[in-house]
Amino acid sequence: GAVVSQHPSRVICKSGTSVKIECRSLDFQATTMFWYRQFPKQSLMLMATSNEGSKATYEQGVEKDKFLINHASLTLSTLTVTSAHPEDSSFYICSARAVPASGGIDTQYFGPGTRLTVL
Amino acid sequence: RKEVEQDPGPFNVPEGATVAFNCTYSNSASQSFFWYRQDCRKEPKLLMSVYSSGNEDGRFTAQLNRASQYISLLIRDSKLSDSATYLCVVPKASASKIIFGSGTRLSIRP
Repeated sequence: GAVVSQHPSRVICKSGTSVKIECRSLDFQATTMFWYRQFPKQSLMLMATSNEGSKATYEQGVEKDKFLINHASLTLSTLTVTSAHPEDSSFYICSARAVPASGGIDTQYFGPGTRLTVL
Repeated sequence: RKEVEQDPGPFNVPEGATVAFNCTYSNSASQSFFWYRQDCRKEPKLLMSVYSSGNEDGRFTAQLNRASQYISLLIRDSKLSDSATYLCVVPKASASKIIFGSGTRLSIRP
């Protein structure tokens, strides 16, 4: 199947710093990528939809100025958590949408996730 | 009503048993459904897609009941390696976004 990578896999930072997470589709082009957040023992919650060449669409309750998303190319989206605080500590997962060339239902492939711990 | 609802479990069953769990959805226009598996501290991985009445892949069977708006996942001859959280996923009808259920935790004991 398609491969999506994320970097870094784990980051620990001090409160007030900014953290950038990269999401790459390695063997396909993704015009749309998604960013999710997952707290312990909870399901994935969609934060925003990242569209190549345009502004991201944020879900209700997600601060766009705090979670900056850039989708500069068809294979790369970045999420920057600005001025991170302990409550931002979570598992951040990206996914890339792959649309079959022959049509049909598209599928989302997930990156391995980034575990962010803010001290 | 939540867009996607699952029984959180945990389901704790012996190895070799058959286990099934359901997922209900609220949008009657939804056409496709997915079951993902997520191991602890890992990303979700696609297990099965369901487009029509059902789908079968080895020990796993997914069924769709449009009238009652639920999908089910049946695991036969369960293995220890089947222990994971199973996430029901329903795409939003008007967008490429998908909605995750809260997940059902399954634990297979020897």
